[in-house]
Amino acid sequence: GQQVMQIPQYQHVQEGEDFTTYCNSSTTLSNIQWYKQRPGGHPVFLIQLVKSGEVKKQKRLTFQFGEAKKNSSLHITATQTTDVGTYFCAPSAGNQFYFGTGTSLTVIP
Amino acid sequence: EAGVAQSPRYKIIEKRQSVAFWCNPISGHATLYWYQQILGQGPKLLIQFQNNGVVDDSQLPKDRFSAERLKGVDSTLKIQPAKLEDSAVYLCASSLINGLAETQYFGPGTRLLVL
Repeated sequence: GQQVMQIPQYQHVQEGEDFTTYCNSSTTLSNIQWYKQRPGGHPVFLIQLVKSGEVKKQKRLTFQFGEAKKNSSLHITATQTTDVGTYFCAPSAGNQFYFGTGTSLTVIP
Repeated sequence: EAGVAQSPRYKIIEKRQSVAFWCNPISGHATLYWYQQILGQGPKLLIQFQNNGVVDDSQLPKDRFSAERLKGVDSTLKIQPAKLEDSAVYLCASSLINGLAETQYFGPGTRLLVL
């Protein structure tokens, strides 16, 4: 079956520092979505990446899809307390769709 | 636009009891998903419907879990009998059309505690 690893599992940063989470797959992906889940909340869609090497930006968030379509990253510049939550990658391969294990981000004011 | 509705929001039952969850997707969304999210883990897909047909139920423990979407709109997920390890948040999501590339909109979830 598909193996998806998301690292790190936890990350604590000072407000204003940058943050990056990585999603790595053992198989080539069709596309990858990213979701954010606030504590006690439900996943909310952030972005979808489809093309090899694709880079998309949303304000302070930068999403990348690897050239081989086996990995992806989410980078947040100058974190704010509103960025707190768990970030999940959700890759698709063939006819299967998974959520990664998530990276829990804590931002210290 | 109204979001995905779920009820109840919380449920506490004893093991071996039965429980049912209800979901009403966003109006016009053909695809409906049920996920199980155990504390500290990512959501795990249990079943996916397109209209009233099942697209994928490969990870649904069919000996105790069942789900239906009879009229292709709202859906119920049932656990009978419940086990301690079923304690989790059960999330319902919907998307406009079928396809892995579709954005999924999640409901608030039902938090189940099995004692």
